[in-house]
Amino acid sequence: NAGVTQTPKFRILKIGQSMTLQCTQDMNHNYMYWYRQDPGMGLKLIYYSVGAGITDKGEVPNGYNVSRSTTEDFPLRLELAAPSQTSVYFCASRRLAGGFFGTDTQYFGPGTRLTVL
Amino acid sequence: AQKITQTQPGMFVQEKEAVTLDCTYDTSDQSYGLFWYKQPSSGEMIFLIYQGSYDEQNATEGRYSLNFQKARKSANLVISASQLGDSAMYFCAIWYNFNKFYFGSGTKLNVKP
Repeated sequence: NAGVTQTPKFRILKIGQSMTLQCTQDMNHNYMYWYRQDPGMGLKLIYYSVGAGITDKGEVPNGYNVSRSTTEDFPLRLELAAPSQTSVYFCASRRLAGGFFGTDTQYFGPGTRLTVL
Repeated sequence: AQKITQTQPGMFVQEKEAVTLDCTYDTSDQSYGLFWYKQPSSGEMIFLIYQGSYDEQNATEGRYSLNFQKARKSANLVISASQLGDSAMYFCAIWYNFNKFYFGSGTKLNVKP
């Protein structure tokens, strides 16, 4: 299993440009998450999904959009990039088992480092 | 607002000694989970240990243990016998309200030889 993969690893955008961060997991997990990590800070949840076709906002959703057409893929779309979106973006997945608070943790991808200039 | 707090931005520990990283949380939910993650300089997030709000015993995973004091709303991570490879950022996180994770701001641990 490759686990959670993210592409690209690095990207530089100009203000106002758009892009899609790709995330794919091969563990057949129901739950998927997008986080951003600003320098020296913890992770903040942007969006999450509990299954194909179902998404919901997290703590910091403004400026982003997501879709979940398949179990495996959970792309994050940035429209009209702004310097405030310079961050490292992590995708994560978790399987649904043992109730909401089982010991299943999230499996994280390696991250995408995005710079908006 | 419900949140999680790590008050130690940085800590030093001598190799082979034990160290405690502090974490407090603020939630009105009865059901929640607490996690600790390690983030080395390479950037990946590594799961260390989990504690459920209904678990009566403190969680342990090898050299890691979680000192869970529910009444005080604290979930401190204890690393025994520190190793040089333990130098990293450590994040405490809380899981509640069905599907939401909140992370603390992290503690940077430096292990000295």
